[in-house]
Amino acid sequence: QTVVTQEPSFSVSPGGTVTLTCGLTSGSVSTNSYPSWYQQTPGQAPRTLIYNTNTRSSGVPDRFSGSILRNKAALTITGAQADDESDYYCVVDMGNGIRVFGGGTRLTVL
Amino acid sequence: EVQLLESGGGLVQPGGSLRLSCVASGFTFSNYAMSWVRQAPGKGLEWVSVISATGGSRYYADSVKGRFTISRDNFKNTLYLQMNSLRAEDTAIYYCVKLVVVGNFDYWGQGTLVTVSS
Repeated sequence: QTVVTQEPSFSVSPGGTVTLTCGLTSGSVSTNSYPSWYQQTPGQAPRTLIYNTNTRSSGVPDRFSGSILRNKAALTITGAQADDESDYYCVVDMGNGIRVFGGGTRLTVL
Repeated sequence: EVQLLESGGGLVQPGGSLRLSCVASGFTFSNYAMSWVRQAPGKGLEWVSVISATGGSRYYADSVKGRFTISRDNFKNTLYLQMNSLRAEDTAIYYCVKLVVVGNFDYWGQGTLVTVSS
């Protein structure tokens, strides 16, 4: 069974740039997988950042961008801020209606 | 403004049943596929099920297939999740989620907590 992989944790300095990735244990993530990214802080519902590879959700600042990098989906945060410290999840469409989330990346800003 | 309001969560014994509802507003409900996503305490997000805009297509995660049924009433702008044969591992916050026309999720509800325990 294919698993969606994400870095368990990542750290970035305030003002810095970080790229989180979302891959598959078997195969590649492509635009046909409609990879999407969600941010979640403790006790809150997830918030959509990026859907369909690189479309920013309404109200999301352009510091957040999505792309495909070396067969993985990627979320890049530029000019990291303290309130970017959150859990980040990706989801991919595996075909036949099935979606699978990655395990999430805990981002620390320090 | 898109709003998704879940209800129906609560405490249920193992083997029991529960029906979740999600009332949608702020968009043309009948034009969009909808989904349920859950999150067990302290764990990550898990996709549960999706239903097409017309209700004609439904898909489930292996973990709930045969026990959960997704449905919708486009006249009432409401999404449902009928959960039967509940297990302790079904304990989670259940989120109602709207999909974009082609692709994955854009808007999320605030969630409703389901606890399966004796």
